Amino acid sequence: DQQVKQNSPSLSVQEGRISILNCDYTNSMFDYFLWYKKYPAEGPTFLISISSIKDKNEDGRFTVFLNKSAKHLSLHIVPSQPGDSAVYFCAASYTGGFKTIFGAGTRLFVKA
Amino acid sequence: EAGVTQFPSHSVIEKGQTVTLRCDPISGHDNLYWYRRVMGKEIKFLLHFVKESKQDESGMPNNRFLAERTGGTYSTLKVQPAELEDSGVYFCASSTKGTRMGTDTQYFGPGTRLTVL
Repeated sequence: DQQVKQNSPSLSVQEGRISILNCDYTNSMFDYFLWYKKYPAEGPTFLISISSIKDKNEDGRFTVFLNKSAKHLSLHIVPSQPGDSAVYFCAASYTGGFKTIFGAGTRLFVKA
Repeated sequence: EAGVTQFPSHSVIEKGQTVTLRCDPISGHDNLYWYRRVMGKEIKFLLHFVKESKQDESGMPNNRFLAERTGGTYSTLKVQPAELEDSGVYFCASSTKGTRMGTDTQYFGPGTRLTVL
């Protein structure tokens, strides 16, 4: 039972354009959502997060949107750069819970 | 400040052998997590330590896996005996707050790639 789903295994985008990575979740108790970025042979690194009391959080070129009614969040990268090419993991947790649940990741290719 | 380190980076063993993975968290991080990722699938939670205590080990696959964190510093994850399906990348992460407090950001090590032949 996968509680966090990233249905697109890969995404290819031209440099300078917008990258949109999507994530769906099933557990309505989740109240904190994160995006991690992973390069080959490295561990995931924290990118951006959002609390369930917000619907948007922005950090430079990265914006995360949360739609609680649809149990959906998305990560927007604008403008996309070749260095953004990596695997992006969506993750979720809830206050009082003991674990963070990760999705399977979406591999982003940004073409120069 | 040093990040999370893991040793070895890669281990190849035969079915039935024993392997021990080590994780050194960021200094001062009470929370330590083990995860596993198998062939492009999700990063799956294995267990969570708070200092030397196991907070949640619900993700451990079976009793062939044993995790310890003596003294609340580094942690080891032993697989004995290893099976083919244990192959994957084992990640360790550490954090200050812990997922129970909400808004927990975890810092990951580079992982240990385990291959069981």
